[in-house]
Amino acid sequence: QQQVKQSPQSLIVQKGGISIINCAYENTAFDYFPWYQQFPGKGPALLIAIRPDVSEKKEGRFTISFNKSAKQFSLHIMDSQPGDSATYFCAVWTLQAGTALIFGKGTTLSVSS
Amino acid sequence: DGGITQSPKYLFRKEGQNVTLSCEQNLNHDAMYWYRQDPGQGLRLIYYSQIVNDFQKGDIAEGYSVSREKKESFPLTVTSAQKNPTAFYLCASKATGELFFGEGSRLTVL
Repeated sequence: QQQVKQSPQSLIVQKGGISIINCAYENTAFDYFPWYQQFPGKGPALLIAIRPDVSEKKEGRFTISFNKSAKQFSLHIMDSQPGDSATYFCAVWTLQAGTALIFGKGTTLSVSS
Repeated sequence: DGGITQSPKYLFRKEGQNVTLSCEQNLNHDAMYWYRQDPGQGLRLIYYSQIVNDFQKGDIAEGYSVSREKKESFPLTVTSAQKNPTAFYLCASKATGELFFGEGSRLTVL
């Protein structure tokens, strides 16, 4: 069974600090690696994604770094804000049971003001 | 507005009862998915459908059933065979490489 290992499970960062969340995978069906953001009681929404023809992608305060040889990718949130407090999931496309997106267990981020 | 509509948002059921969760999309997506979310467990795949009249089991399909009679609709039935059905259920549809999620349905078994 495809494993997607995400760490840490929870993270507390002061306002203005950097939040870093890591994800490791075994195999992937498609070279497309997304991060989703979820607020309490809501469905997840795509935050940022990367295709590994590049090693890094930046959108505003959010950056994905990708290491294909290590099968790892990470999310960096610069200048973290209280509004960033949410649960973050990495995900990987798998062919294991057809074509489906398999998620990590999530990281709960709390940004203190 | 285009999107995915899940209903009901909250649902209570007694043990031994079947319950059906609705998922409708107007995004014209072929593929649809059902995930279950429990605290600390992430999102686990229950069933998915790549096209009308076809669906496949995910990692935790036992105790669940689905149908895909229309492109827009992918209902999930939680049967009495599901031993621990209390959870947050999320429906999604797929564009190129990306999943779009509904707002979820929270099922509580009393």
